[in-house]
Amino acid sequence: DVKVTQSSRYLVKRTGEKVFLECVQDMDHENMFWYRQDPGLGLRLIYFSYDVKMKEKGDIPEGYSVSREKKERFSLILESASTNQTSMYLCASSLMGGRLGDTQYFGPGTRLTVL
Amino acid sequence: AQKITQTQPGMFVQEKEAVTLDCTYDTSDQSYGLFWYKQPSSGEMIFLIYQGSYDEQNATEGRYSLNFQKARKSANLVISASQLGDSAMYFCAMRSNFGNEKLTFGTGTRLTIIP
Repeated sequence: DVKVTQSSRYLVKRTGEKVFLECVQDMDHENMFWYRQDPGLGLRLIYFSYDVKMKEKGDIPEGYSVSREKKERFSLILESASTNQTSMYLCASSLMGGRLGDTQYFGPGTRLTVL
Repeated sequence: AQKITQTQPGMFVQEKEAVTLDCTYDTSDQSYGLFWYKQPSSGEMIFLIYQGSYDEQNATEGRYSLNFQKARKSANLVISASQLGDSAMYFCAMRSNFGNEKLTFGTGTRLTIIP
């Protein structure tokens, strides 16, 4: 079974802090994604990566950066956390070039609160 | 650009009844895939069912079926004989067969099953 893990389920940080959210997958997937989930807005893509050291901006990249130094690990970085970044963050992975119907596999999510 | 619309923010359904969750989409692509995910209160995203744009038959997976009407650009999820464990958020998503492999999500429907 595919397993996607995220470093924390709950995180509380202060405004201005640098925040790292870590995601690890164990299925050798090329693609990895970071989403943000807010009530009434669904899931919105922040960044995705299709290979080590490769990244592409999603729909809402402002205020975020990412790092992918190893294939299995994809980190989301909030350089200076702000209260409007309080949200649920979901990581996902998928096989590159698979069938159109191949699903993304999601981690359990990190609920981040910025005070 | 792709867009997914889920017009039902919340639904209440009696246990054992069937329920239809609405999803309409907009895309200029000819080849695309539609997905439904379930998100219980624990937060993880569970893949339910997939429909390809060229699939002639509606997809079915156990109690889940997808009512795909291509001309109307709708992909409604039907859950037969609802159970208390079906209470969750449900998201419709789509992916194009061209370009990158990201998913575009709707805003979700919160389904509550009443005993």
